[in-house]
Amino acid sequence: GAVVSQHPSWVICKSGTSVKIECRSLDFQATTMFWYRQFPKQSLMLMATSNEGSKATYEQGVEKDKFLINHASLTLSTLTVTSAHPEDSSFYICSARDFSQIETQYFGPGTRLLVL
Amino acid sequence: KQEVTQIPAALSVPEGENLVLNCSFTDSAIYNLQWFRQDPGKGLTSLLLIQSSQREQTSGRLNASLDKSSGRSTLYIAASQPGDSATYLCAVYTNAGKSTFGDGTTLTVKP
Repeated sequence: GAVVSQHPSWVICKSGTSVKIECRSLDFQATTMFWYRQFPKQSLMLMATSNEGSKATYEQGVEKDKFLINHASLTLSTLTVTSAHPEDSSFYICSARDFSQIETQYFGPGTRLLVL
Repeated sequence: KQEVTQIPAALSVPEGENLVLNCSFTDSAIYNLQWFRQDPGKGLTSLLLIQSSQREQTSGRLNASLDKSSGRSTLYIAASQPGDSATYLCAVYTNAGKSTFGDGTTLTVKP
């Protein structure tokens, strides 16, 4: 079956640094990838939709200058948390939609970010 | 705007019981509905995916049903085991290309 990977799976950083998270579709082409965030004891909330070769679409309340998304190829999207602060500590999960099967999306294993 | 509600928020049962988790959604224009399991501090494990044209899916002791017209899905777990303890999330994937998640049901199965 289709596989989506994320790297890193865990990251701890100091406040003020930037962190990049990668999302890769390993055996299919993904024209669209989605980034979700999950705070402790809460459900996943969509942050942004990333389309290959174009600007990401951000959900209301998500700062596009803080969460930079780049989807430069059909198999890779990156989320950069710029100038991270402790309140950005969260679980970030990406999903990818198969170019040939738009009705299905596959989820990555997630990246846990802890900002000290 | 799609809203997904899961009831109950938490459930505690003795080992061996059959149980039902509920998920309701407000917009029936969906591609599919997916049930996930999430263990504490871990990512999502996909359990069952029901396409909008399907009524149910089964995998082992799990059975998920979908009634798109009424905006409801249930996840049935037969003969529950302590290893089933986790948070169960349902997510609806809409024609707009987004998934909306419920808040989850936290299940505890006591030995």
